[in-house]
Amino acid sequence: ETGVTQTPRHLVMGMTNKKSLKCEQHLGHNAMYWYKQSAKKPLELMFVYSLEERVENNSVPSRFSPECPNSSHLFLHLHTLQPEDSALYLCASSPRDRAIEKLFFGSGTQLSVL
Amino acid sequence: QKEVEQNSGPLSVPEGAIASLNCTYSDRGSQSFFWYRQYSGKSPELIMFIYSNGDKEDGRFTAQLNKASQYVSLLIRDSQPSDSATYLCAGNSGGGADGLTFGKGTHLIIQP
Repeated sequence: ETGVTQTPRHLVMGMTNKKSLKCEQHLGHNAMYWYKQSAKKPLELMFVYSLEERVENNSVPSRFSPECPNSSHLFLHLHTLQPEDSALYLCASSPRDRAIEKLFFGSGTQLSVL
Repeated sequence: QKEVEQNSGPLSVPEGAIASLNCTYSDRGSQSFFWYRQYSGKSPELIMFIYSNGDKEDGRFTAQLNKASQYVSLLIRDSQPSDSATYLCAGNSGGGADGLTFGKGTHLIIQP
């Protein structure tokens, strides 16, 4: 257990559905991230929050909407997704100790869009 | 465009031998580098990080960094079947919450 908890573990949704992914970290870290992992592709950075402020939006489509209400919680709101959005979505947190970003990942949400 | 390149493998190594995993990066501004291990169906787990040129050892693992050649490697001594996994190399520029740039990973198989 890394101290980063993601729910749900699996999600199947239709293209017209609205759903949210949740991430909670119990490590006292001050930065949180969303990454997308697709088969045969590198992990893709989607969003970065530092001290609850978004500092990076890596050209992600607007159908993905992040929310970070405090330093321990991170959400990814999903709406009108496409089948190509099916992937493993990983949340991570980092203490940003001495500017070294050691990321600790949650177990991920395996998303299938039908 | 920041890129991290790895040979996807699979890399097959006999049990007890040294496994050598390699990675190159394009961003000369990258300051720190990380090796993650990912078992099938699991999330990435941090094994080691390195930010100074040279070697860094931790148990059976040694990370090597050569900034002039933009090259990072991970050596696993006395390889065990439990080391079979995908190893992800990642780098970042440091100084802020920029996120890490990951390679595609190398699939390592340790043959009993």
